[in-house]
Amino acid sequence: DSGVTQTPKHLITATGQRVTLRCSPRSGDLSVYWYQQSLDQGLQFLIQYYNGEERAKGNILERFSAQQFPDLHSELNLSSLELGDSALYFCASSIGQLRMEFSTDTQYFGPGTRLTVL
Amino acid sequence: GQNIDQPTEMTATEGAIVQINCTYQTSGFNGLFWYQQHAGEAPTFLSYNVLDGLEEKGRFSSFLSRSKGYSYLLLKELQMKDSASYLCAVRDNNAGNMLTFGGGTRLMVKP
Repeated sequence: DSGVTQTPKHLITATGQRVTLRCSPRSGDLSVYWYQQSLDQGLQFLIQYYNGEERAKGNILERFSAQQFPDLHSELNLSSLELGDSALYFCASSIGQLRMEFSTDTQYFGPGTRLTVL
Repeated sequence: GQNIDQPTEMTATEGAIVQINCTYQTSGFNGLFWYQQHAGEAPTFLSYNVLDGLEEKGRFSSFLSRSKGYSYLLLKELQMKDSASYLCAVRDNNAGNMLTFGGGTRLMVKP
């Protein structure tokens, strides 16, 4: 158990709908990262938040958005869903030390949310 | 941008040793991570290298050569439960210290 929690575990919805995925980081971690993993695909970085602020953006679609709240939990919002959005969505957290040489700042992953769009 | 290459699949025998290679190209290297991921589960952290050399952790070791842009993960005394995907990830301090993952190497351990 990494200490990162994600809800829900599974989500089944229809095209055109909107869903919200939730993540709670490990105690003491300030950074939250969201990743998408499609079937037999690698992990694609979507977005990072650090202490409530957006820190880095990856291949995140305009239909997707995220935020990190004062209690450090994060939500990923996916709207106008398409069949191709079906995937595992992982949240990871880390302490979030930045620009520190030789810092490990290891990311620990939550169990993921499996999204199925029908 | 970054480019990370690792073999797609490997097969090895229970009790043997296997080496999974990873090559990368990045402008601001700031560490290389190896994760293990069983199908449908979360990636779990295995090792971290930022300086050249070998890091050993029980049956798993990871090696890094920054000048060659090369790392490998060495798994000894293979067990059936080691069948999983192994993900190489590179951190780039020119990209907000975000991690870029390779496509993963699916390792199948046979009796």
